[in-house]
Amino acid sequence: QKEVEQNSGPLSVPEGAIASLNCTYSDRGSQSFFWYRQYSGKSPELIMFIYSNGDKEDGRFTAQLNKASQYVSLLIRDSQPSDSATYLCAVNRNGGSQGNLIFGKGTKLSVKP
Amino acid sequence: GAGVSQTPSNKVTEKGKYVELRCDPISGHTALYWYRQSLGQGPEFLIYFQGTGAADDSGLPNDRFFAVRPEGSVSTLKIQRTERGDSAVYLCASRASGSDTQYFGPGTRLTVL
Repeated sequence: QKEVEQNSGPLSVPEGAIASLNCTYSDRGSQSFFWYRQYSGKSPELIMFIYSNGDKEDGRFTAQLNKASQYVSLLIRDSQPSDSATYLCAVNRNGGSQGNLIFGKGTKLSVKP
Repeated sequence: GAGVSQTPSNKVTEKGKYVELRCDPISGHTALYWYRQSLGQGPEFLIYFQGTGAADDSGLPNDRFFAVRPEGSVSTLKIQRTERGDSAVYLCASRASGSDTQYFGPGTRLTVL
């Protein structure tokens, strides 16, 4: 079992719809969780991080964390063609300022005009 | 302010050659990470520096890979006797003390012929 798993997609949604991206992780002791966006040929760009169970909202983005189910998701409301990218889920097993990030393979999102 | 910078942006070399990849982190960031990303995969951790010392080098694939950060700022990733399987994008990230948010540079695309 990979440490961080994501559906590779592609996930295709129409413009204006809600895009739902999902991620599961295997280490129950993981402390902090990140979503990065990566445009083709570019480096990862941080969108959101979440530490506690529940929802965290930032503009059109909502991150959801369920530690009991070892599941983290990202919702993108009012999806725009400019949101088309690969979304990487990353987990810091050690928490705080320690340790490296373990990344999933990423989910490719395509928003159709 | 300036973000993480990496040079060169592209490097083409022949099998068996030695290469050096450079990373200049965000000013004041004490932690520096190297990752490697192959096509269709998420970034894979290589090594983490806290200040001048390597705090975790467990991701280095073998002894052909070595990294230094002599003054606690710029870091160089060194690869000896390059192999075709080393071809990938090498990403550098930095993090401020007390934060666990990593910011990525643009990467160096290494191609070993």
